[in-house]
Amino acid sequence: NVLTQSPGTLSLSPGERATLSCRASQTVTSSYLAWFQQKPGQAPRLLIYGASNRATGIPDRFSGSGSGTDFTLTINRLEPEDFALYYCQQYATSPRTFGQGTKVEF
Amino acid sequence: DVQLLDSGGGLVQPGGSLRLSCVVSGFNFSTSGMTWVRQAPGKGLDWVSSISDSGAYTSHAGSVRGRFSISRDNSRDTLYLQMNSVTADDTAVYYCARGARGHPNDYWGQGTLVTVSS
Repeated sequence: NVLTQSPGTLSLSPGERATLSCRASQTVTSSYLAWFQQKPGQAPRLLIYGASNRATGIPDRFSGSGSGTDFTLTINRLEPEDFALYYCQQYATSPRTFGQGTKVEF
Repeated sequence: DVQLLDSGGGLVQPGGSLRLSCVVSGFNFSTSGMTWVRQAPGKGLDWVSSISDSGAYTSHAGSVRGRFSISRDNSRDTLYLQMNSVTADDTAVYYCARGARGHPNDYWGQGTLVTVSS
């Protein structure tokens, strides 16, 4: 199941809203879709699972939505620490696959 | 606190072998499926292998099938990735992560770098 993220890069300023898209080539069953944040030199960090559930400790400015083949990660009121790479992943079927990533830059 | 400590990476020659380890603490390892994910320099995330909580079920990406083998020792809270017949394309940071078969990868190790070069 190929995941395509758009845009490749999002240029925004602190305080603005970021909207990231993840489109799957096949339906993601049970909405087993996750979003990760990755900063340089660090491991990925789980933000959202089950398409819309925030992981432990994730601020409520991060929200996920969607179902089927179209999913969205929204970051309200960008904070300086939110500028990073974001990946979506489907874990419904094997092989679990990742999108190619969206860079949110200032 | 949950901790996953990846180790075993390093420089290996093409055709050589390496075994990665991931020692976990802070959660019940024996009831958790586990996964290895890799990231080539400057590239995105690629799933490598997953294993069920008991170790009875494993799966591997097509690019490593027949060369890599995932295993675990629940008595030692340790996950392994045996890497054989490595090529330059296997150069990457390898991360272990909790979660497999319908579960998200919620906790990750810090990663261990494998460099394949002569």
